Amino acid sequence: TQLLEQSPQFLSIQEGENLTVYCNSSSVFSSLQWYRQEPGEGPVLLVTVVTGGEVKKLKRLTFQFGDARKDSSLHITAAQPGDTGLYLCAGVANAGNMLTFGGGTRLMVKP
Amino acid sequence: DTGVSQDPRHKITKRGQNVTFRCDPISEHNRLYWYRQTLGQGPEFLTYFQNEAQLEKSRLLSDRFSAERPKGSFSTLEIQRTEQGDSAMYLCASTQFNLISYNEQFFGPGTRLTVL
Repeated sequence: TQLLEQSPQFLSIQEGENLTVYCNSSSVFSSLQWYRQEPGEGPVLLVTVVTGGEVKKLKRLTFQFGDARKDSSLHITAAQPGDTGLYLCAGVANAGNMLTFGGGTRLMVKP
Repeated sequence: DTGVSQDPRHKITKRGQNVTFRCDPISEHNRLYWYRQTLGQGPEFLTYFQNEAQLEKSRLLSDRFSAERPKGSFSTLEIQRTEQGDSAMYLCASTQFNLISYNEQFFGPGTRLTVL
């Protein structure tokens, strides 16, 4: 069974602060996706990382895939209230390409 | 809008009733996935189709659950004799699967089921 552990579960910060969310597993994933989900809506894809050590940037968001493809991180620089939401990591490690999700990190950015 | 759509968005039912949800994937996506998300948790895989063939079912999918994708386009998920533990957000995702590149899954808005 592949498990993805996300930390922290909850994060409340002030506008302008930086933060990092971690996604860890003992399993190797062929790829890993990060999603953001608003209340009452489905997850929206932010990025996919597929190569060990890969770093991708999306404006103020930086995503990293671990060298061994077992872990990933999401770093947000100068967080804004619009970044508030549930951040989910999800890995693929099977032929069916089913996603294994972490438990999510609920981020609140206060103005 | 050419994204994944789901209907209904919300469903409230009494315990013991049957419910059916519909998912319309992105046009021509050959794979369709169903996930379930309970409050405060990440989504969990239920089942998936490649075209009209149901290729895998999770152990979470009890005998009361059945899913179909009769023409390889839209899919339905039916829950018979609903229980309060079935209350959750049911999410559908689709992708154009190929062996060459990574197949990103795109999610619909979900159907929130409340069983009273």
